[in-house]
Amino acid sequence: EVRLVESGGRFVQPGGSLRLSCATSGFTFNTYAMNWVRQAPGKGLEWISYISFNSDLTYYADSVKGRFTIAGDSAKNLLYLQMNSLRADDTAVYYCARASQYGDSEDYWGQGTLVTVS
Amino acid sequence: EIVLTQSPATLSLSPGERATLSCRASQSVHINLAWYQQRPGQAPRLLIYDASNRATDIPARFSGSGSGTDFTLTISSLETEDFAVYYCQQRSIWPLTFGPGTKVDVK
Repeated sequence: EVRLVESGGRFVQPGGSLRLSCATSGFTFNTYAMNWVRQAPGKGLEWISYISFNSDLTYYADSVKGRFTIAGDSAKNLLYLQMNSLRADDTAVYYCARASQYGDSEDYWGQGTLVTVS
Repeated sequence: EIVLTQSPATLSLSPGERATLSCRASQSVHINLAWYQQRPGQAPRLLIYDASNRATDIPARFSGSGSGTDFTLTISSLETEDFAVYYCQQRSIWPLTFGPGTKVDVK
């Protein structure tokens, strides 16, 4: 069974830093691309970052480019999101999501972790 | 950036009724469109990929259609558990973008 479990979300002051983790199991981590998607309170979904299966390729939304860094550790089956220079509008539930084998969707999602910047 | 517009914003229906949700893209995304369902307090769940393919374990009452800029998600007969928010997502061009969502609620 595929499982994604995020952790690391907490209350943080503006300008602060935070690292989110996503523990994965039930699939071979280094054969799938991964994403982070966030959802501000009461709002819709916002894709923020992607990493290819071999970590060679990363993409970021303009809203986080230069502040957030995505990384993967295939030895530990972990996905990370390093978040720096946090702002109030980064307040959201952060989901990790696996990209499907053919890149046509995010087929599995974690339950999310809440980051509050205030 | 490709902008997705979903309509209506809210759809009020009764169990057993048919739901038709629309997603329109600001430029062609070919068939590179997915649909997700999000129930309150839960993570999104993949329903449809490549515009018309049902994901694993998704009931047959869910169907998707369209290509280019106009897409439709149809729920043929609403079950209680289908009252939720539905998002479309384009995967044609980076950045990936989501529509603002359509809430299907009980009339």
